[in-house]
Amino acid sequence: DTAVSQTPKYLVTQMGNDKSIKCEQNLGHDTMYWYKQDSKKFLKIMFSYNNKELIINETVPNRFSPKSPDKAHLNLHINSLELGDSAVYFCASSQVPGTSVHEQYFGPGTRLTVT
Amino acid sequence: GEDVEQSLFLSVREGDSSVINCTYTDSSSTYLYWYKQEPGAGLQLLTYIFSNMDMKQDQRLTVLLNKKDKHLSLRIADTQTGDSAIYFCAESMTTDSWGKLQFGAGTQVVVTP
Repeated sequence: DTAVSQTPKYLVTQMGNDKSIKCEQNLGHDTMYWYKQDSKKFLKIMFSYNNKELIINETVPNRFSPKSPDKAHLNLHINSLELGDSAVYFCASSQVPGTSVHEQYFGPGTRLTVT
Repeated sequence: GEDVEQSLFLSVREGDSSVINCTYTDSSSTYLYWYKQEPGAGLQLLTYIFSNMDMKQDQRLTVLLNKKDKHLSLRIADTQTGDSAIYFCAESMTTDSWGKLQFGAGTQVVVTP
């Protein structure tokens, strides 16, 4: 009964390919996030959705397209993969945000390696 | 995070106390968090502190906040081998109600027997 799950856990692909990473949460949260963690462990937010609507969209190449079919799922599609896309991608979710404290629950991560 | 800075590495002997430091630049931060990342896993919230507090204690964890210097620290008492992990400091802003967190680069803590 994993709270936030991601598939696949590992993804190795060649430059130029298109790939998707899936995320699902069974916590009943309204908000979901995608983070990218680079080789130096630096973690940066990419996108956030609240009830299937995009609410945070950081400076990310438009080759990255998130999709939220329902509030329990947030998928990340990446077109024309580049070497610099190699990283660990984390999905997270939280309850309705606001000015009160909110805990983000992270998935186990997807390690993407572009060759 | 260019706005949140941490030292990159800390080595501590089992049973000793660990102190992990963090500095942030945004004075409008509402909450400050400490997350823990074990090898091959996602981040897990350890503790948090509201910006109008100076200290928070939670079992072996003590968080100290110096608002004047914008300095946050996490003290782990009686450090155990299971505490070996990367610890991330993070802040959320009053102006952002959508949960956007700014993370530090993480501090790798290695606990030696």
